[in-house]
Amino acid sequence: TAGITQAPTSQILAAGRSMTLRCTQDMRHNAMYWYRQDLGLGLRLIHYSNTAGTTGKGEVPDGYSVSRANTDDFPLTLASAVPSQTSVYFCASSDSTQGGNEQFFGPGTRLTVL
Amino acid sequence: GQNIDQPTEMTATEGAIVQINCTYQTSGFNGLFWYQQHAGEAPTFLSYNVLDGLEEKGRFSSFLSRSKGYSYLLLKELQMKDSASYLCAVTDSNYQLIWGAGTKLIIKP
Repeated sequence: TAGITQAPTSQILAAGRSMTLRCTQDMRHNAMYWYRQDLGLGLRLIHYSNTAGTTGKGEVPDGYSVSRANTDDFPLTLASAVPSQTSVYFCASSDSTQGGNEQFFGPGTRLTVL
Repeated sequence: GQNIDQPTEMTATEGAIVQINCTYQTSGFNGLFWYQQHAGEAPTFLSYNVLDGLEEKGRFSSFLSRSKGYSYLLLKELQMKDSASYLCAVTDSNYQLIWGAGTKLIIKP
């Protein structure tokens, strides 16, 4: 079982360009999440989806958009990248947002915006 | 505001015991998680506490006091592979996870 995969592994992007980070899970989890992780800061939630067809804004949603057309995929799009979006991006999934459902993380995408 | 506090870095000796503390102030509480994250890798689940008390899982134990807004992760019989960052995260009233910045644990032989 692959679990949760992300692509690309890393990317260097010119400021102003757009990019989509891909995330796919095969665990049939209802909930999916996008986080960014920066040195010295905790994981910060960008967007989330409680179930296919619904999305919500997290703590730092500006400059990012998501879609959840089906259960397995949860792409994150940067419409016009800026250097402050340089970060490591983690996608995660869980069976639900309730109770003690642990989140499973993908391997991450390291993005550098120049 | 919501806040999770953990020490930035700790050092311990192989074979010893270490306790990593976490204090939190959040809007509501629906459980506390501990995750382990090796450098350059994704976080992986270690433990979950929702009631007061100690949860033991092999060499790792996690304690929670809801009245004090406090948790700790206890690692026994430390091994070199335990060198990692340990992340404390609290589920708030909206069932969103609020994450601490993590504690980098360095194990010395």
